[in-house]
Amino acid sequence: TQLLEQSPQFLSIQEGENLTVYCNSSSVFSSLQWYRQEPGEGPVLLVTVVTGGEVKKLKRLTFQFGDARKDSSLHITAAQPGDTGLYLCAGADAGTEKDNRKLIWGLGTSLAVNP
Amino acid sequence: ETGVTQTPRHLVMGMTNKKSLKCEQHLGHNAMYWYKQSAKKPLELMFVYSLEERVENNSVPSRFSPECPNSSHLFLHLHTLQPEDSALYLCASSPRHSGRAGNIQYFGAGTRLSVL
Repeated sequence: TQLLEQSPQFLSIQEGENLTVYCNSSSVFSSLQWYRQEPGEGPVLLVTVVTGGEVKKLKRLTFQFGDARKDSSLHITAAQPGDTGLYLCAGADAGTEKDNRKLIWGLGTSLAVNP
Repeated sequence: ETGVTQTPRHLVMGMTNKKSLKCEQHLGHNAMYWYKQSAKKPLELMFVYSLEERVENNSVPSRFSPECPNSSHLFLHLHTLQPEDSALYLCASSPRHSGRAGNIQYFGAGTRLSVL
C-alpha cells in the first residue's frame, strides 16, 4: 500500500519566519502535486514536480522533488498570514490512465501564520 | 473561483432522510470525482467518472449513490446515512491525462455534511 507521510502535522509561526514542510514515502512516484486548502474551500493546486531532483519556485514558495522521487519538500520564505492553510501533497503513479486518476494523498500540514 | 461549483455548501440531515449533493464544472474536463475529507484521514476517493462512465468505485457503501448525467454534472445521492458519514464532501474534475504529471484535480469548495 502506498502511503504519503507529511510532517509536521501542525505548524504555528510568526509572520516573516521561514519554514519547511515535508512529504515522504517509501514508494516511488512519477510525480507529486502540492495543494493548499484554505478554510471553507477545496484544495487548489500549487505545483507539480515530475523529475527527480527538480526544484520549482512560486514566488516565496520553493518545491523540491527528491532524487529518488520518493519525497518532496516545500519551503516558504518570509511567511505571511495569507499563507495560512492546509498544505497537501499527492502522489501519482503513472502507468495507465486509470493509475493516474488515483492520487495518493497525505494527511497534510496545517499551517498558521500569525501577524 | 475554480470553475467547479458545489451545492449545497452545508447540509444537516437525519439518518432517515434522502438528499443529494450537486457538482457542476465549467472547465470542459472529461473526468469527475467525489472525495470524502474527514479529520485525521487522507482524502478518500469515492467515485470517478470518465466521459460519464463510472470507472472507479472504492468500496463505498451503497447508501452513497453517484450519478453523472453528462460530463459537466455530477450528483451524489444520499440515503439512510450514519453519523460517521459526517464529513466534507469534495467534488473535483480533471482534464484527460497526458504525461507523467498525473491528473491535476480542480476542486469545488465542498459540502459540509452533518448526519444527526
